Amino acid sequence: DIQMTQSPSSLSASVGDRVTITCRASQSISSNLNWYQQKPGKAPKLLIYAVSSLQSGVPLRFSGSGSGTDFTLTISSLQPEDFATYCCQQSYSIPYTFGQGTKLEIK
Amino acid sequence: QVQLQGSGPGLVKPSETLSLTCTVSGGSFSGYYWSWIRQSPGKGLEWVGYIDYTGSTNYNPSLKSRVTLSVDTSKNQFSLRLSSVTAADTAVYYCARRVAVSGTGNWFDPWGQGALVTVSS
Repeated sequence: DIQMTQSPSSLSASVGDRVTITCRASQSISSNLNWYQQKPGKAPKLLIYAVSSLQSGVPLRFSGSGSGTDFTLTISSLQPEDFATYCCQQSYSIPYTFGQGTKLEIK
Repeated sequence: QVQLQGSGPGLVKPSETLSLTCTVSGGSFSGYYWSWIRQSPGKGLEWVGYIDYTGSTNYNPSLKSRVTLSVDTSKNQFSLRLSSVTAADTAVYYCARRVAVSGTGNWFDPWGQGALVTVSS
């Protein structure tokens, strides 16, 4: 199985901050990397697919980059509604696997 | 807008079989793979498996011996059965649509609201 490792596991930031979350795969997954946002008690919501493609309706302050084994999710200017847990997922090979999540908290 | 609604018992006894159903509304049922993903309390997400409208399946090898997915196209539903459950199977079970675009990749969108299943006697 491909292991997905996110860092940091938690992060405190303020409204307006620029934030970057990293996801590393245990082997190359090409561009088969997706990002999800999950709020407490809710289902995950697709933010970005195929490394950098923004899902419809997702604000432009979210962006993704990377290839191979190293990927990043960046939020350019944090808004109050962005405080949530973010999770990466590889769709390169079965079984699909997820990172453990990064909890973004208000400082 | 496609919506997924999962349903099933919230409590299952150890060694018994967990059964959940997901109903798809507001969009096409064919042409996609329909998935189950679970999240244990305080833990990460684990892909369980997926099925398409023809019944073609793919399972997580770690669960394959205990998982059966099925589909009912007349009702736009797909179902999960997980046998011989233990406390380790306690989780929120999400159903989700797997979207696949040739040359781009595949991802899960949208997700159902999730169904908490507790394994306890």
